[in-house]
Amino acid sequence: DQQVKQNSPSLSVQEGRISILNCDYTNSMFDYFLWYKKYPAEGPTFLISISSIKDKNEDGRFTVFLNKSAKHLSLHIVPSQPGDSAVYFCAASARGGSEKLVFGKGTKLTVNP
Amino acid sequence: DAGVIQSPRHEVTEMGQEVTLRCKPISGHNSLFWYRQTMMRGLELLIYFNNNVPIDDSGMPEDRFSAKMPNASFSTLKIQPSEPRDSAVYFCASSPDGDYGYTFGSGTRLTVV
Repeated sequence: DQQVKQNSPSLSVQEGRISILNCDYTNSMFDYFLWYKKYPAEGPTFLISISSIKDKNEDGRFTVFLNKSAKHLSLHIVPSQPGDSAVYFCAASARGGSEKLVFGKGTKLTVNP
Repeated sequence: DAGVIQSPRHEVTEMGQEVTLRCKPISGHNSLFWYRQTMMRGLELLIYFNNNVPIDDSGMPEDRFSAKMPNASFSTLKIQPSEPRDSAVYFCASSPDGDYGYTFGSGTRLTVV
């Protein structure tokens, strides 16, 4: 049973436009959410996170939005750059992150020049 | 800091053979995690340790898998006997207590033929 779902396996956008990656979760105990980015032949790297007490967190070009009632979060990248092309994983944790991370299957983002 | 170091990077073995994957976490990180990535299941947690003690091994697929952490700077994941369905990329990650962003190693790509 997938507790964290990324329903779009891939996404393609033009350079300079906005990329929106979506993630849904089912476990109401999750209260901390993270996005990781993964390039080929490398391990995932932490990108940005958000606690359930917030509905938005911003870091430069990256913004994560959380809708607790819908159990949905999204990652916005503005403007998108070719170097952003990677697989993006959504992850969730309970108890403020002290529990293990549960990952989605990932969305492959391609930013075209 | 060299980051999380995994060895080997690639392993090709015959069905029935024993396979040992190795991980050196970042110095000072108290938690260590073993994940497996496959196309079908994405990133799934196999086991995690805190202060060298296994905390949750519910993700270990079956008795053929075992993991140890004899000290704070070394962990192994062993598969005996290996099967073709074990073919995947195995990631090790570590984190300090209270930090929710794991640092992943580059992974070991295991192929069982």
